[in-house]
Amino acid sequence: DVKVTQSSRYLVKRTGEKVFLECVQDMDHENMFWYRQDPGLGLRLIYFSYDVKMKEKGDIPEGYSVSREKKERFSLILESASTNQTSMYLCASSPTPILNQPQHFGDGTRLSIL
Amino acid sequence: AQTVTQSQPEMSVQEAETVTLSCTYDTSESDYYLFWYKQPPSRQMILVIRQEAYKQQNATENRFSVNFQKAAKSFSLKISDSQLGDAAMYFCAYRSAYNAGNMLTFGGGTRLMVKP
Repeated sequence: DVKVTQSSRYLVKRTGEKVFLECVQDMDHENMFWYRQDPGLGLRLIYFSYDVKMKEKGDIPEGYSVSREKKERFSLILESASTNQTSMYLCASSPTPILNQPQHFGDGTRLSIL
Repeated sequence: AQTVTQSQPEMSVQEAETVTLSCTYDTSESDYYLFWYKQPPSRQMILVIRQEAYKQQNATENRFSVNFQKAAKSFSLKISDSQLGDAAMYFCAYRSAYNAGNMLTFGGGTRLMVKP
């Protein structure tokens, strides 16, 4: 089974802090994704990466950056956390689209910015 | 850009009964994939069922089936013989076949409650 591991289930940070959310997958997937989940809005794509050191903006990239130095790890960075970034963050991975395989998700990180 | 709409924020069903969750989408593309994901209270999202737009036959996975109406851009999920373990958030999602990044567009979700 594919395992996508997010480093924290719950995280509390202060406004202005630099925040790192880590995600690791164990299936050698090319694609990795970061979403935020808010009630009534579903999941919205922040960034995705289709290869090491490659990244593309999703629908809501403002205030976020990402890093993918190794294939298995995809980090989401909040450069200067703000209260409107309080949310649930979900990481996902999938193999190359040619294989037509679904995305696999981590358990999520509930982030609170005070 | 594609959009996905789930018009039912909450639904409830009696155990052993059947329930249908609605999903509509908007796209100008002819080739795409549709998915239903389930997110139980433990929060890990798992795939329930998927449908390729080029297939006319509706997908079925055990107690889960879809009603895919391509012309109407509708993709509903039917859960038969509902069980307590079916209680979860359900998300409908769209993926373009022309999308090199395998990106998904999600609906807002439907919370399904199952009454014993």
